[in-house]
Amino acid sequence: GAGVSQSPRYKVTKRGQDVALRCDPISGHVSLYWYRQALGQGPEFLTYFNYEAQQDKSGLPNDRFSAERPEGSISTLTIQRTEQRDSAMYRCASSSSGNAGNTIYFGEGSWLTVV
Amino acid sequence: SQQGEEDPQALSIQEGENATMNCSYKTSINNLQWYRQNSGRGLVHLILIRSNEREKHSGRLRVTLDTSKKSSSLLITASRAADTASYFCATKWDGGSQGNLIFGKGTKLSVKP
Repeated sequence: GAGVSQSPRYKVTKRGQDVALRCDPISGHVSLYWYRQALGQGPEFLTYFNYEAQQDKSGLPNDRFSAERPEGSISTLTIQRTEQRDSAMYRCASSSSGNAGNTIYFGEGSWLTVV
Repeated sequence: SQQGEEDPQALSIQEGENATMNCSYKTSINNLQWYRQNSGRGLVHLILIRSNEREKHSGRLRVTLDTSKKSSSLLITASRAADTASYFCATKWDGGSQGNLIFGKGTKLSVKP
């Protein structure tokens, strides 16, 4: 597609429910990234993939958070047993290759509100 | 934790004036990038400067990098109301993994018509 596409754009869920956020990267992009952004803050790294391999998940806050990219394209970020502190904007991004100097392109994000 | 720190936190100027935002960081970097975020919208990549570069231009944007001072600046010349947004610097830490861009908290720029 033309850009990084994320869905849903807005999600309100009750505490304790599981949530799955989807990311469709720019076509052909090798690397896919997940970030989280709280209000008034910059994005914070969660995890990233090269193709289907998860290369770094050091930013995932705890084991309720997981991500997958089974076919090296679309990715899903899953939050189990959501808590109010999980409320934030979740941003996906992609880049053309694994080169650290490549530009990373962000999607418009998924706003998650846990009530 | 956030490595980059933008300064000032907020900046208000008149249309036509120049806007300068600064970013300081802590560790050695591979590159530094500037992003713009309009209210409630996506994060748009503006410019990337590598650690061996000192200055880069893109249209009305000028970025400088001083690795000895661990700082960068973003200059927007002849500002327009449409430049109103939050601006973030993001560093690619030299020792970090490829995807681990570290963002600051941003500078909120307001350009009054």
